[in-house]
Amino acid sequence: GESVGLHLPTLSVQEGDNSIINCAYSNSASDYFIWYKQESGKGPQFIIDIRSNMDKRQGQRVTVLLNKTVKHLSLQIAATQPGDSAVYFCAEAGSNYKLTFGKGTLLTVNP
Amino acid sequence: DSGVTQTPKHLITATGQRVTLRCSPRSGDLSVYWYQQSLDQGLQFLIQYYNGEERAKGNILERFSAQQFPDLHSELNLSSLELGDSALYFCASSVQGSNEKLFFGSGTQLSVL
Repeated sequence: GESVGLHLPTLSVQEGDNSIINCAYSNSASDYFIWYKQESGKGPQFIIDIRSNMDKRQGQRVTVLLNKTVKHLSLQIAATQPGDSAVYFCAEAGSNYKLTFGKGTLLTVNP
Repeated sequence: DSGVTQTPKHLITATGQRVTLRCSPRSGDLSVYWYQQSLDQGLQFLIQYYNGEERAKGNILERFSAQQFPDLHSELNLSSLELGDSALYFCASSVQGSNEKLFFGSGTQLSVL
């Protein structure tokens, strides 16, 4: 029978292409945002974060963009590699200290 | 390796039982968080401790409780277990415990049969 599970948005890209993963957040009072990568059987791994006083931040091969007007966050991965295949989560936090995670996006990189 | 240690990695038990999950935070981190990850609910925040005191509470059931000890390790106690409690339980730690990046452990996979 069909299993009931979390139906993740999926993104499939070719190796070497750039990937863009999008996230809509809900709380306009959130002032801290973070992206995590989770590989199968492992805990979430920090990728990059951004505070609400910025709209762009760059790391190694990754860029996070924040649009507070429309409450949208994106993660750009340059030159995507097979090792980037994972579930990517965005998370937001406000004054209540609680980091709230989105549902996640499954990224598959085809060699 | 994040520096956060969780034990055990796997736990199989029966309904109605009680289990304890253990977490050692990264050296120097004062805050510990517990999250539950299931297929249909994603990553759900349960509870946060900072330097031994409860700081924030999420969707934690009354059957669940946690504490952070003076040496900063934390335990999550799950009692009267039900089938629906089967999930991955993650511990995370951070330095100050207020809007900063969390470092996650590898998780404890709990199976309630």
